[in-house]
Amino acid sequence: QSALTQPASVSGSPGQSITISCTGTRSDVGGYNYASWYQQHPGKAPKLMIYEVSHRPSGVSNRFSGSKSGNTASLTISGLQAEDEADYYCSSYTNSSTPVIFGGGTKLTVL
Amino acid sequence: QVTLRESGPALVKPTQTLTLTCTFSGFSLSTSGMCVSWIRQPPGKALEWLALIDWDDDKYYSTSLKTRLTISKDTSKNQVVLTLTNMDPVDTATYYCARSPSALGPFDYWGQGTLVTVSS
Repeated sequence: QSALTQPASVSGSPGQSITISCTGTRSDVGGYNYASWYQQHPGKAPKLMIYEVSHRPSGVSNRFSGSKSGNTASLTISGLQAEDEADYYCSSYTNSSTPVIFGGGTKLTVL
Repeated sequence: QVTLRESGPALVKPTQTLTLTCTFSGFSLSTSGMCVSWIRQPPGKALEWLALIDWDDDKYYSTSLKTRLTISKDTSKNQVVLTLTNMDPVDTATYYCARSPSALGPFDYWGQGTLVTVSS
């Protein structure tokens, strides 16, 4: 099964907003509200930022938000800060033979 | 406080079998719905989900690695063990274990990861 499709890189200036897309199929992102997003700084473990498309875990800044349209989930980061520079991965439940699929990751650069 | 910690060899030779242990605290794998997964990340590459075991001892594997993977749990020791047979240099990666409250996700707690290098 192919990975979810994410842009390889996005960039933005401090204070700006950026959006990272995550495109799948009706078997995963489009068919269920179980898309999640993870932030990973170099040398660190991933950190859950968004779950079930648009829910934020306790302690995650409200500058992070999630949404979904059709087969594409999106992560929006508003008021970009230098500390947001990291890799971001989406993930989704899938009704295929395996229950989990990840995206290929997006490197966010804060200019 | 939920914590997970991976342990295992840092270096394995090609064709050998890798055995990794995830030792966790702060939750029980006998709690209804609870799951632990193994996820790996080759250097500079994306995350790849490998296997999941749930509270009811149901197991799921990556289709591409299914024939080489085995996941098991010891609820009394709060441990999940992953074995990967016939190791190859392409299996060089950081291996993470992560908890999810159900098979639907998400992975809300992760271990710090352990780097496994496959080389002769």
